[in-house]
Amino acid sequence: NAGVMQNPRHLVRRRGQEARLRCSPMKGHSHVYWYRQLPEEGLKFMVYLQKENIIDESGMPKERFSAEFPKEGPSILRIQQVVRGDSAAYFCASSPTEGGLAGEETQYFGPGTRLLVL
Amino acid sequence: GIQVEQSPPDLILQEGANSTLRCNFSDSVNNLQWFHQNPWGQLINLFYIPSGTKQNGRLSATTVATERYSLLYISSSQTTDSGVYFCAVEQIDSNYQLIWGAGTKLIIKP
Repeated sequence: NAGVMQNPRHLVRRRGQEARLRCSPMKGHSHVYWYRQLPEEGLKFMVYLQKENIIDESGMPKERFSAEFPKEGPSILRIQQVVRGDSAAYFCASSPTEGGLAGEETQYFGPGTRLLVL
Repeated sequence: GIQVEQSPPDLILQEGANSTLRCNFSDSVNNLQWFHQNPWGQLINLFYIPSGTKQNGRLSATTVATERYSLLYISSSQTTDSGVYFCAVEQIDSNYQLIWGAGTKLIIKP
C-alpha cells in the first residue's frame, strides 16, 4: 500500500516562472491537504481539498497560488510567477475522512517537494 | 488562534540517553499528533494521541488534555533518532487544519 506520493522531490525555478507540484494521496483517501514549511519552522496550512472541491483555502496566498484535486489524477499546487520568498518545502497530506474523527489517525504526509527559486 | 509551543528548541545527547520533549497548547484540541522529520526532510507519523498514553518501542507519548500539554519520551536514544520532532494539533472548531509547533531539534551523538 503505497503512501502519499509527491513529485517532483526537488524543483528549481527562476523568478517569474511557474511551479507545478503534484500529490497522489494514499489509496482510499479522498481528502488532500497542502502545507508549506519555511526553513527552521513548523508547517503552515495552505489548503484543504476533496475531489473536485476546494474546502478551505484560507492559508493560501490569494495571488499567484492555486490548487486543484480533479476527479481523475493527482492534486496539483500551482504557483505562478514565482518569487524568491516562495522557496520552501511543500508537503501534501491525505486522510480517508475529514480529520478529527475519534479513533482515526488523521493526516499522512508525503515526502515533500523542495522548491528553490533562483 | 491556538498557540503551540515546544520545548526545548534544541537538544544534544549521547547515544543511549533518555529524553523528554514537551508540547504545550493554548486551547482545547480534537487531535494531537507527534511527527519526526528526519535529516532528509521526510515526515514520519509517530503518534496520534489526543489524550492518554501510547507506546511504540523506545518511544512513548502522553497527552494530558485537561492541562493542555503532551510529552514525548525517547529512551535509549540512537543516532537514527536525530532530526526534528514536531507536535501538531487540531483545534476544536476545525476538523482538518493541523497547527504546528516550531519543533525540537534533536541531535544524538555516537
